[in-house]
Amino acid sequence: DTEVTQTPKHLVMGMTNKKSLKCEQHMGHRAMYWYKQKAKKPPELMFVYSYEKLSINESVPSRFSPECPNSSLLNLHLHALQPEDSALYLCASSQDSGYAYEQYFGPGTRLTVT
Amino acid sequence: GENVEQHPSTLSVQEGDSAVIKCTYSDSASNYFPWYKQELGKGPQLIIDIRSNVGEKKDQRIAVTLNKTAKHFSLHITETQPEDSAVYFCAASEGNTPLVFGKGTRLSVIA
Repeated sequence: DTEVTQTPKHLVMGMTNKKSLKCEQHMGHRAMYWYKQKAKKPPELMFVYSYEKLSINESVPSRFSPECPNSSLLNLHLHALQPEDSALYLCASSQDSGYAYEQYFGPGTRLTVT
Repeated sequence: GENVEQHPSTLSVQEGDSAVIKCTYSDSASNYFPWYKQELGKGPQLIIDIRSNVGEKKDQRIAVTLNKTAKHFSLHITETQPEDSAVYFCAASEGNTPLVFGKGTRLSVIA
């Protein structure tokens, strides 16, 4: 089973709201990723967690705050977002850190900031 | 850093024909090349990948070829079906750096 689940599927939030995106995998993978994807563009890496520790932050604004409570869960906390943050947010996981391992993506959360 | 160019950006084929999508990369140290299929409203799905110690890999109707000398790799889909219609992304990594994606190819299979 190569399933990565994400909730919610859709999210609409105002610029003053606080919300969280959730990602879960039960494949025993030790690396988890957050990507942002704008329409008609490839995914852009935001954060990488390896063995539950943040290993990469691709200069993402502090209004995005990741959290890895355990090896199966990954959260992305959102606060004071801007309309340009509207996008598809994708979670992915891989067996281990190191980018030559297969990455499996979840279905994404479609975020709209009003 | 790595740069991945992908062509064509759009491709239309008749059902049953073959489709070929090509990517070139700039970093000769890259050694891992996955291909993803993304259907409308879904996340990218890993469909096949190839590593630099292999020249070709096949999985049913899908094949990927790698030419390390020329620094390009290609996705081949034979006997295309309407359900192959999607956006396809290639990517490259040398293992210690994040995947660099191509800009994507929108494939339309016309029944």
